[in-house]
Amino acid sequence: DVKVTQSSRYLVKRTGEKVFLECVQDMDHENMFWYRQDPGLGLRLIYFSYDVKMKEKGDIPEGYSVSREKKERFSLILESASTNQTSMYLCASSSPGQNSYNSPLHFGNGTRLTVT
Amino acid sequence: ILNVEQSPQSLHVQEGDSTNFTCSFPSSNFYALHWYRWETAKSPEALFVMTLNGDEKKKGRISATLNTKEGYSYLYIKGSQPEDSATYLCASRSGFQKLVFGTGTRLLVSP
Repeated sequence: DVKVTQSSRYLVKRTGEKVFLECVQDMDHENMFWYRQDPGLGLRLIYFSYDVKMKEKGDIPEGYSVSREKKERFSLILESASTNQTSMYLCASSSPGQNSYNSPLHFGNGTRLTVT
Repeated sequence: ILNVEQSPQSLHVQEGDSTNFTCSFPSSNFYALHWYRWETAKSPEALFVMTLNGDEKKKGRISATLNTKEGYSYLYIKGSQPEDSATYLCASRSGFQKLVFGTGTRLLVSP
């Protein structure tokens, strides 16, 4: 079974802090994704990566950046946290291949971030 | 961004009831439709990925159908159990767009 591990389940940060959310997968998946989930909205894609050192913006990249230095690890960075970034963040990975649209996503347990 | 809609928003049934939910999506340039189950305090888990019009998939008491021409998919749960309580998410991919998720159907099954 694919295991996707997010470093923190709950996180509380102050406005203006730099925040790192870490995600590690153990199945050699090339594709990795960061989503956020807010009440009344579907999961929204922030950033994704098809390979090491590769990144592409999703639908809501503003205020975020990412890092993929190793294949198994995909980090989401909030350069200067703001209260509107309070949310549930989910990391996911999927099978290799840029057009692997029929490969299911494997999700981590999520990190609930509160910015005060 | 294509619009994926799910209905109902929430559902409360009794143990043993059968139930179904709907996911609607734009039918043009369709590539794939995903269903996920998300239990509280757990990670979303893939149920089905469907790509062909008329696809029907089954996993235990849960099954799904796909109509790509009219842009909808149904998820059926036969004989609901309390452990089926979860949020059920669908997501669609069309053309070169990324996977787009609906807002989910929250199911509560009472014993």
